[in-house]
Amino acid sequence: SQQGEEDPQALSIQEGENATMNCSYKTSINNLQWYRQNSGRGLVHLILIRSNEREKHSGRLRVTLDTSKKSSSLLITASRAADTASYFCATVSMDSSYKLIFGSGTRLLVRP
Amino acid sequence: NAGVTQTPKFQVLKTGQSMTLQCAQDMNHNSMYWYRQDPGMGLRLIYYSASEGTTDKGEVPNGYNVSRLNKREFSLRLESAAPSQTSVYFCASRAGTSGGAVPGANVLTFGAGSRLTVL
Repeated sequence: SQQGEEDPQALSIQEGENATMNCSYKTSINNLQWYRQNSGRGLVHLILIRSNEREKHSGRLRVTLDTSKKSSSLLITASRAADTASYFCATVSMDSSYKLIFGSGTRLLVRP
Repeated sequence: NAGVTQTPKFQVLKTGQSMTLQCAQDMNHNSMYWYRQDPGMGLRLIYYSASEGTTDKGEVPNGYNVSRLNKREFSLRLESAAPSQTSVYFCASRAGTSGGAVPGANVLTFGAGSRLTVL
């Protein structure tokens, strides 16, 4: 079974709006990462947040982490049509720092 | 830099046939991974190699074998393919040392994927 579950499974917004997607996980983690996948391509790393961090920013991306709730959120501000992709969270657990386990993903559609 | 290169990009097999997916990285990364992705789903870890000379099972290892041939190369073998193994396979690598004090050391770099169909 997958470590992470993402919510919503699909999201459709207008260009310029903000997009928020959530990830819940089951075990204690060392860090949590977000990746993006354009249709038919490999995944590309976006941002990493460590277990002792609560919030991190990178450009138009903002990631939060709540270890007490075992959840994370990814916010994309001022979305663009080019942000259309699937977004996945991946967790690295405390007991095995080499294994990255992915969630089920959120498919984002940004309408022009 | 080529990054992570997977071959072949596409393959069609009949049930019971065998094949090997090849993966090579030129970034001097320590860890390498094989994932599969079924339609509309996330990635599931098949096997990984934390460092040259070691391999470990992931979430869905049944029906697969791997070889970490050297630091650059990590192959995935299907000994007797089944229709349930129809999927897109991704190889990934990570600079990766436990602890991750070096920025970027913990993140995965992915190949473009290999689409496998088993009839």
